[in-house]
Amino acid sequence: KAGVTQTPRYLIKTRGQQVTLSCSPISGHRSVSWYQQTPGQGLQFLFEYFSETQRNKGNFPGRFSGRQFSNSRSEMNVSTLELGDSALYLCASSFSGTGNQETQYFGPGTRLLVL
Amino acid sequence: AQSVTQPDIHITVSEGASLELRCNYSYGATPYLFWYVQSPGQGLQLLLKYFSGDTLVQGIKGFEAEFKRSQSSFNLRKPSVHWSDAAEYFCAVGVSGGYQKVTFGTGTKLQVIP
Repeated sequence: KAGVTQTPRYLIKTRGQQVTLSCSPISGHRSVSWYQQTPGQGLQFLFEYFSETQRNKGNFPGRFSGRQFSNSRSEMNVSTLELGDSALYLCASSFSGTGNQETQYFGPGTRLLVL
Repeated sequence: AQSVTQPDIHITVSEGASLELRCNYSYGATPYLFWYVQSPGQGLQLLLKYFSGDTLVQGIKGFEAEFKRSQSSFNLRKPSVHWSDAAEYFCAVGVSGGYQKVTFGTGTKLQVIP
């Protein structure tokens, strides 16, 4: 079974631009979560989607948005990029996001550099 | 709001020695608790989780953790550390149900010496 895939793996953008990152979950998984990891702020939860609906959102400005498609693939978008948005963006998938018997799997991440 | 404290930024242990990584959380109700490991070659991986039930949970790679409500702790243990366990370990607490909306600790970097 294929793991969680994220594209692109590396990205360089300039301030003010926007960026879209993609995450394909493990087949059959309907919950997709996004995280940001930076040296200064550590790992932070961005948002979680289940069946095309955003169920939870972390404390990030509205420049950060996401969506989930009917095949459970998810995208996140960051508009008007700032230097501080430079980070490793991770996505993770699980079957429902709530089950005690299920495991969460992470993708390799997208490393975004904002210049 | 919930929070997680990992008091040890860096820990060094000898291969074969036992390991305990500390984690304290702050949350008013029963939390969902997690330990994750991150290494350059393996990325971020879920080690174990506590949702409910038995307070001693077993995870992958021989790790276990014990939820102690009275101490607001969820310490990670391994009886004998292997060189491949060198990595960064993150404790996390979730409040919305399962894997949703987790808050991470700042991490503990584990170094294993031969």
